[in-house]
Formats: sequence, C-alpha cells, structure tokens
Amino acid sequence: QITLKESGPTLVKPTQTLTLTCTFSGFSLTTGVGVGWIRQPPGKALEWLALIYWDGDKRFGPSLETRLTITKDTSKNHVVLTMTNMDPLDTATYYCVHSPGGFADYWGQGTLVTVSS
Amino acid sequence: DIQMTQSPSTLSVSVGDSVTITCRASQSISSWLAWYQQRPGKAPKLLIYRASILDTGVPSRFSGSGFGTEFTLTISSLQPDDFATYYCQHFNSNPWTFGQGTKLEVK
Repeated sequence: QITLKESGPTLVKPTQTLTLTCTFSGFSLTTGVGVGWIRQPPGKALEWLALIYWDGDKRFGPSLETRLTITKDTSKNHVVLTMTNMDPLDTATYYCVHSPGGFADYWGQGTLVTVSS
Repeated sequence: DIQMTQSPSTLSVSVGDSVTITCRASQSISSWLAWYQQRPGKAPKLLIYRASILDTGVPSRFSGSGFGTEFTLTISSLQPDDFATYYCQHFNSNPWTFGQGTKLEVK
C-alpha cells in the first residue's frame, strides 16, 4: 500500500525558506518512479511545483524553478522540497505525490503552509 | 507554457444526470492528459490518465476521451459522491499545468 506524508512548518515568515519533507512507504524510488510536489492556494487551482525521478532527473513547474530545490534520499524514503524567499502568495496546501511519469496517482493528505509575519 | 482551459467553471446538476466537462489545451498534447477529482477538504484523486485510461478502482461511469487539444470527461448517472471539483492536467511537456477546475454543484 503506497502512502505519502508531508511534514514541515505550518507557518513561515515572508522572505524565509520553506523546507518540506515527504516520507513515503509502499514503494521504492526505483526505475520509472518519481516523487513530487503540487500545491493549492486556498480556494484556487492546483499547481505542479517539482518532481524528482528515480535517476535524479528533475522537473519543475511554471515560473518557480529559480526558487525551488528538490532532493531525494532513497535509503530513508524521503524527498525534500525547499522554496526560498517565501511570500504570502505562497500560502497553500502542499501535497506530496507519487508519479509514474507526469501525473500523480497517489497523494499525501497535504499540509497547509501559511506565510505571514 | 501550455495553457489548459476547462469549461464550464461550475455545473449545476442532479443525481442521475449525465455530465460532460471539457478541457482544451493551447497546443497539441497528444493524449498526455489526466483527470482528477477533488472532494472538499480532501486531496485530489486520479481518475483517468492518457486521456482515456481509468485508474484502478475508478467506477466505470467515468470516462475520458479526446486527442490533441480537446478532451472531455463524462460522468454517466451522477452519484452523490461525484459532487466535487474536477481538474484536467497535461503532461506532454515541461512544465505540466492544470486547468482551473470545474465544480459540480447540486441543482
């Protein structure tokens, strides 16, 4: 059974760096598999942020690549997302997802991150 | 970037109705399209990928079709659990983008 769970701060201040960890189980980050992040501002649509594949290849969402870093620790079944220079517009629920390539077939429950001073 | 446009944004429907949601891509995406369902307060759920392939466990009343720039999600005989927001998403090329969503509400 595939599960993913997001962890990290629920509140960050503007200009700070956000670090979110996805801890997954039920699969290994092996051939053909990716783990990524999708976010959703309150009442708004979904937005792909980043994905890292088993081989280290990465994909980034529109307009955010310069602020994002995504890394994996295969031995710990972790994927970590960092986003620099946080702004109140980055307030959103952040989801960790399993992806066989381009779409998300398993989702974490999501974690709401609020950006406020 | 490829833009995804869904229509309508909101649809007022009743249990038992047949529903069709349209998703248009700003350029051809072949069949690299997924559909998701999101119930209030919940994480989205994958329904369909590669435009027409139902994910495991998705009821057969859901179906997807289309190729190129125009796609549809059809729900036949709407059930109470189906009142939700539906999103399309392309994965033809980076960056992958979502439509703005279509909300099904009770008529």
